Amino acid sequence: ETGVTQTPRHLVMGMTNKKSLKCEQHLGHNAMYWYKQSAKKPLELMFVYSLEERVENNSVPSRFSPECPNSSHLFLHLHTLQPEDSALYLCASSRGHPSGSYEQYFGPGTRLTVT
Amino acid sequence: AQRVTQPEKLLSVFKGAPVELKCNYSYSGSPELFWYVQYSRQRLQLLLRHISRESIKGFTADLNKGETSFHLKKPFAQEEDSAMYYCALLNTDKLIFGTGTRLQVFP
Repeated sequence: ETGVTQTPRHLVMGMTNKKSLKCEQHLGHNAMYWYKQSAKKPLELMFVYSLEERVENNSVPSRFSPECPNSSHLFLHLHTLQPEDSALYLCASSRGHPSGSYEQYFGPGTRLTVT
Repeated sequence: AQRVTQPEKLLSVFKGAPVELKCNYSYSGSPELFWYVQYSRQRLQLLLRHISRESIKGFTADLNKGETSFHLKKPFAQEEDSAMYYCALLNTDKLIFGTGTRLQVFP
């Protein structure tokens, strides 16, 4: 598959669970991003990785833990989440970073519900 | 603080009517602005950026520093323009998005 893929597309988890979101890009890009989109709020940047190194951590709680093992894959590890963490989590990639220099390509998102 | 405001949650027009999606920003430096679009069942994608001064799918957006605005315009709306539109501002090296405006174009 081409572009940016995300799995799973939907996830329901309890507050004590541990789960991971996966993002994969097939575009040969060097930068990857995690965004959170809550209802009635703007898209919020969470993390940025450029050449597999984290370059941005936008004051995100430690219950969200990103991992970028290589330039094609990005994970978001989740543990002891709160109901207010329920949102759409979008992954994006770009040829490089900073983000404005290169168009960002978005994945379809993972709809997360924390019960 | 850097901020992007899209005052309209929903804009409904008939096919052939002009469209203007409003975007205002708050930024202390020289802004770099973008419009992203999300069509039904598709992913978010870049529509245009102000530095390119381009027209994409008939849409244009002019940066007005005096009014701190970057409104998206199209003279004649088409049904296929129905989508969610997000204005975004580049702050240092990250994008700040507005809350989005849903455009509905009726036949």
